[in-house]
Amino acid sequence: ETGVTQTPRHLVMGMTNKKSLKCEQHLGHNAMYWYKQSAKKPLELMFVYSLEERVENNSVPSRFSPECPNSSHLFLHLHTLQPEDSALYLCASSQEIGTGYNEQFFGPGTRLTVL
Amino acid sequence: GDSVTQMEGPVTLSEEAFLTINCTYTATGYPSLFWYVQYPGEGLQLLLKATKADDKGSNKGFEATYRKETTSFHLEKGSVQVSDSAVYFCALARSGGYQKVTFGTGTKLQVIP
Repeated sequence: ETGVTQTPRHLVMGMTNKKSLKCEQHLGHNAMYWYKQSAKKPLELMFVYSLEERVENNSVPSRFSPECPNSSHLFLHLHTLQPEDSALYLCASSQEIGTGYNEQFFGPGTRLTVL
Repeated sequence: GDSVTQMEGPVTLSEEAFLTINCTYTATGYPSLFWYVQYPGEGLQLLLKATKADDKGSNKGFEATYRKETTSFHLEKGSVQVSDSAVYFCALARSGGYQKVTFGTGTKLQVIP
């Protein structure tokens, strides 16, 4: 595997289900990100991790719970979601965060549908 | 706060036509500017970037010039191909400390043979 991979690619869940999204980066990066992509809206940054420590949480509802067990893996745990949470969830990684721009590399995303 | 405004799509062009996708931004200071491209079923990829005023970013025949006086970063290509069909995102990032990238809403480009 190369780059940033995400599983599953598609997920359909009911509002009472609990599921998890997985992201893995094979680039040796130290920072990882979760974004939400909804139709006709800008990408929304949800969470940022640097060296497994959360550095940004953009007022995301608690029904989304991130986990970063190591610098290569990032999870997004989902529970009691709402239909408006249906979207494409993108994971990204970068070499690091800090001064100077660090290019973010994106995975293909997980298309989530909440019924 | 920071914001990026792109022209709404979809944009439909014939092969070999000239492409312009407009992008303007609002930000204090001197952000870096980017164009990302998202092909069907894939994540976003960095297409080109410019880090200071009057810089021109270029890649794969695409170009964009950082215009501070008009706060714009319009994407252009002289002759589009069917393979350029994708969604294009304009974005900005501030320098210093943690860099948050602010994206536009994306412009879908469809190139027909």
